Amino acid sequence: GDSVTQMEGPVTLSEEAFLTINCTYTATGYPSLFWYVQYPGEGLQLLLKATKADDKGSNKGFEATYRKETTSFHLEKGSVQVSDSAVYFCALILLRGSQGNLIFGKGTKLSVKP
Amino acid sequence: DTAVSQTPKYLVTQMGNDKSIKCEQNLGHDTMYWYKQDSKKFLKIMFSYNNKELIINETVPNRFSPKSPDKAHLNLHINSLELGDSAVYFCASSPQTGTETQYFGPGTRLLVL
Repeated sequence: GDSVTQMEGPVTLSEEAFLTINCTYTATGYPSLFWYVQYPGEGLQLLLKATKADDKGSNKGFEATYRKETTSFHLEKGSVQVSDSAVYFCALILLRGSQGNLIFGKGTKLSVKP
Repeated sequence: DTAVSQTPKYLVTQMGNDKSIKCEQNLGHDTMYWYKQDSKKFLKIMFSYNNKELIINETVPNRFSPKSPDKAHLNLHINSLELGDSAVYFCASSPQTGTETQYFGPGTRLLVL
């Protein structure tokens, strides 16, 4: 079945370090891909998305490129801040007709130290 | 002007009790969802409703029953609560069935003792 695999956390970085969180997917069609972020004690917020191959989603300094050949959607940020500390979820949705479920990875907790 | 709201935010109850969680969205969306997030942060869809009709019902015990009185509301009723029901429950909505972007509520933290 369709699934998302993302790197295990927690990830601990110093402020201004480079961030990569790996995400790969398995799907029988051509899904749309997402990164959601969950700040402590809050619900999920959409961070960025890409709907087709080679699309790049970007927001708040984060980027991810939809790579069909490697079935990946890795999240990157050039210089993290303490305020980026959160849990990051990679997700896909694959529409079959008019229906589809968001399928999430297990989440990666990021802690950024000053 | 909260987009997706849930009540209560926290819920502590005894095993065997029946409880409800309410969700409301003011975005005018047609589709609403319930997700369960376990202690390891794993998120899984439970139900999906479109215009008050159930369209997705994943493998969830019959003790869980969603109810949608209108398009803007999707409530979750849980009978005979068990310890394993302890989790964070998130409501979400999207403009239409299968529309990619979903908007999440703040979550309801349920603890069953």
